[in-house]
Amino acid sequence: QKEVEQNSGPLSVPEGAIASLNCTYSDRVSQSFFWYRQYSGKSPELIMSIYSNGDKEDGRFTAQLNKASQYVSLLIRDSQPSDSATYLCAVENYGGSQGNLIFGKGTKLSVKP
Amino acid sequence: GAGVSQTPSNKVTEKGKYVELRCDPISGHTALYWYRQSLGQGPEFLIYFQGTGAADDSGLPNDRFFAVRPEGSVSTLKIQRTERGDSAVYLCASSPNGPRYGYTFGSGTRLTVV
Repeated sequence: QKEVEQNSGPLSVPEGAIASLNCTYSDRVSQSFFWYRQYSGKSPELIMSIYSNGDKEDGRFTAQLNKASQYVSLLIRDSQPSDSATYLCAVENYGGSQGNLIFGKGTKLSVKP
Repeated sequence: GAGVSQTPSNKVTEKGKYVELRCDPISGHTALYWYRQSLGQGPEFLIYFQGTGAADDSGLPNDRFFAVRPEGSVSTLKIQRTERGDSAVYLCASSPNGPRYGYTFGSGTRLTVV
């Protein structure tokens, strides 16, 4: 059973701080990794994708990937109250039809003004 | 369309009834996915279509669940003899061709079986 593990939180950070969200995955051959943001009562929204080891930056967001450790993280710099949401880590299912993403349960982030 | 459209947004049905949930993907997207999400959980994969065919239906929980995409565009998820445990948000997503670059979700259908 392929798994994606996340700390459910809640993770609470003060406004302006760096929020660090972590994810581990079980399938060693996975190649594509994603972070989705989900506001309460809304559907998931893709915010970052990463495919190679190292860092990928997009505005205040940085995704980090370490395939050897099977570890993906998301850093949010200068956190804002509007960043308060559940962050879902997703990993491409590289077996079978190679057609779907496996999601973690998500980490709930709360940014306090 | 501009985004993935799902109807209805909410559905309340009695235990044992049949329901259909509809998904209209982004125009031109060949890949379409159905997931369901229970409270406090991540989306759980149900089925993936590439064009008109179901490329992977390994996530369908049992034979009460069935999905079609007859013309390679709109898809319908069908649930027979609904049970209270089927209550969840059913999410549809589409992508240009497979999951490699992620996909876009619709706003979901909240199904409540009473």
